[in-house]
Amino acid sequence: RKEVEQDPGPFNVPEGATVAFNCTYSNSASQSFFWYRQDCRKEPKLLMSVYSSGNEDGRFTAQLNRASQYISLLIRDSKLSDSATYLCVVNAIPPGAGSYQLTFGKGTKLSVIP
Amino acid sequence: EPEVTQTPSHQVTQMGQEVILRCVPISNHLYFYWYRQILGQKVEFLVSFYNNEISEKSEIFDDQFSVERPDGSNFTLKIRSTKLEDSAMYFCATGTGGQYNEQFFGPGTRLTVL
Repeated sequence: RKEVEQDPGPFNVPEGATVAFNCTYSNSASQSFFWYRQDCRKEPKLLMSVYSSGNEDGRFTAQLNRASQYISLLIRDSKLSDSATYLCVVNAIPPGAGSYQLTFGKGTKLSVIP
Repeated sequence: EPEVTQTPSHQVTQMGQEVILRCVPISNHLYFYWYRQILGQKVEFLVSFYNNEISEKSEIFDDQFSVERPDGSNFTLKIRSTKLEDSAMYFCATGTGGQYNEQFFGPGTRLTVL
């Protein structure tokens, strides 16, 4: 199983739609989770942090299921400006390491269409 | 809002040359990181740095790579003898470390090795 796995997409959705991204992770000892967004050829920008079962910030809701090792991101009322790649990121101490590291998924590309 | 800055934004070099990539972290952060992202691929961890020493490094971070914080503000990544396959975006990130480990990324340096 890959460390952090995401559906690569692309997801093409009309403005106003609701879209959900899924992510699974392999390290059951992972402590915290993040969704970053990355625009083309730009840096990842922190969108949401998830430490317990979930988090909500405006149109964005993240949910965590530790038993299933699964995280999701829901975007409601999509805007054109939401078009980006969404990166699922997991914070854990990898096997053989002594401190926490972030492990990135490959990302899911979202295009919001007028 | 404080942010991570990086210079240069784009570096073109000949194979075998040394390059130094520079980062100015967010001032109250104590943990510093370098990542790379080859075009079209996922963000990969290179090295973490805390208390003036390397905490962790990945398999990518071989003897050709080094990091230092020469003057208490800049955080640098040196590649001693660049190879074609070092061509990538290099991102500096700074953060809180530990089990929460929120990290904030600089805009990146695009390294092109010819």
